[in-house]
Amino acid sequence: QQQVKQSPQSLIVQKGGISIINCAYENTAFDYFPWYQQFPGKGPALLIAIRPDVSEKKEGRFTISFNKSAKQFSLHIMDSQPGDSATYFCAASITQYGNKLVFGAGTILRVKS
Amino acid sequence: DSGVTQTPKHLITATGQRVTLRCSPRSGDLSVYWYQQSLDQGLQFLIQYYNGEERAKGNILERFSAQQFPDLHSELNLSSLELGDSALYFCASSVSGRDNEQFFGPGTRLTVL
Repeated sequence: QQQVKQSPQSLIVQKGGISIINCAYENTAFDYFPWYQQFPGKGPALLIAIRPDVSEKKEGRFTISFNKSAKQFSLHIMDSQPGDSATYFCAASITQYGNKLVFGAGTILRVKS
Repeated sequence: DSGVTQTPKHLITATGQRVTLRCSPRSGDLSVYWYQQSLDQGLQFLIQYYNGEERAKGNILERFSAQQFPDLHSELNLSSLELGDSALYFCASSVSGRDNEQFFGPGTRLTVL
């Protein structure tokens, strides 16, 4: 019930294309859904986040789409650039229980120039 | 740069030994979280401290312990080390009232030989 399932495991996208990463969860008590970006040798960096009362959130080229009934959320990276090549993690947390993040397994994104 | 600092960056030690990892949160952040990242387990929450008090615990082994000091820095102590403890250990911090937004440090890479 605490798992967050992420797909695909890896993704190759052409420069200028759209990268899409999907996550699914079971625990309906989750109330915060962030995405993190991690470059080799660095810590995860908070990219964008959403709460379940909103169906979509956009920040620059990054958009989260949230489907509460399906218990799924996804990250869309528009106009993907080689500098976006990194590992992306979705996560979920429950505010009531101390906000510990439950992470997906990660998606390795490679943007080809 | 998230503002969270961790030392040391790398640590190589032998089985059975004990090590201490140190984390300084962002200025003003009262919460500190510890996460372990390994190839087989992914990113896993270990423990959270808030203003010196333990707030939440994850799948942290009994051989591991942590504390947060009055100046808000935190230390993670790992003892009786095993080969399987080799991993990246991240510290994250968050500001009170926005505890969902966790900012990660650069991590400590622990290698147990």
